[in-house]
Amino acid sequence: DVKVTQSSRYLVKRTGEKVFLECVQDMDHENMFWYRQDPGLGLRLIYFSYDVKMKEKGDIPEGYSVSREKKERFSLILESASTNQTSMYLCASSAPGGGYTFGSGTRLTVV
Amino acid sequence: QKEVEQDPGPLSVPEGAIVSLNCTYSNSAFQYFMWYRQYSRKGPELLMYTYSSGNKEDGRFTAQVDKSSKYISLFIRDSQPSDSATYLCAMSLYNFNKFYFGSGTKLNVKP
Repeated sequence: DVKVTQSSRYLVKRTGEKVFLECVQDMDHENMFWYRQDPGLGLRLIYFSYDVKMKEKGDIPEGYSVSREKKERFSLILESASTNQTSMYLCASSAPGGGYTFGSGTRLTVV
Repeated sequence: QKEVEQDPGPLSVPEGAIVSLNCTYSNSAFQYFMWYRQYSRKGPELLMYTYSSGNKEDGRFTAQVDKSSKYISLFIRDSQPSDSATYLCAMSLYNFNKFYFGSGTKLNVKP
C-alpha cells in the first residue's frame, strides 16, 4: 500500500512565524499535491508538482510556497503565518492515471 | 459557480438503510469520477472510481455516472455504523493529474 506520511498531526504556531509542513510518499509517485480543507469550503488545491523541482500553483497559492528537492518529499511553506491559514492541510500523491492517496493531515492552528 | 456541487448534509439514516449520495458538476469534459471516504481526523481514502458513464459495483457500494445530466451518485446498501463518515466526490479531466472535489456529505448511520 502507498503510504503518504505527514510529519505532524497537530501544530500550533504564532502569527508571523515561518511554518514548514513536510510530506513524504514511499511509492515513487510523480505527482504530489497540497490541499487545505475547511468546513463548508471542501478541499482547495494550494500547489502541486509533477516532478522534482517542478511546481505549479493551484487555486489558492497566496501566502504559500513549496519545495520538491527529492521525488518522495514535498514541503509546504507558510512564509509568514496568519490566523486565516488555520486549517487542515492534506498532502496527496498519485501516479499518472491513478487516484490520489492522501496523508492523515496536519491540523494547523495559528494564534 | 463551483465546478462540483455536493450537499453537505448531515444525512442521518438507520442501520440497514440504502444511502444515496450525489454530486453535480458543470464541466462536461470531466472523464474520471471518484468517491472518497473520510473518517474524522483522517485523510480521505479512495473508495471507488469510474471512467466516463455507467455503473460500477464493489460489495455494498455502487457508483453511478450520468454524463448527460452531469450527475454522479454513490449508493450504499445495508448501511452500517462503520459507514459513518464524510463522503467526497471528485472528478478529473482526461489527464487525471488534477482533481476537483465536492465539499463532502457527512453521513451518520445510527445503530
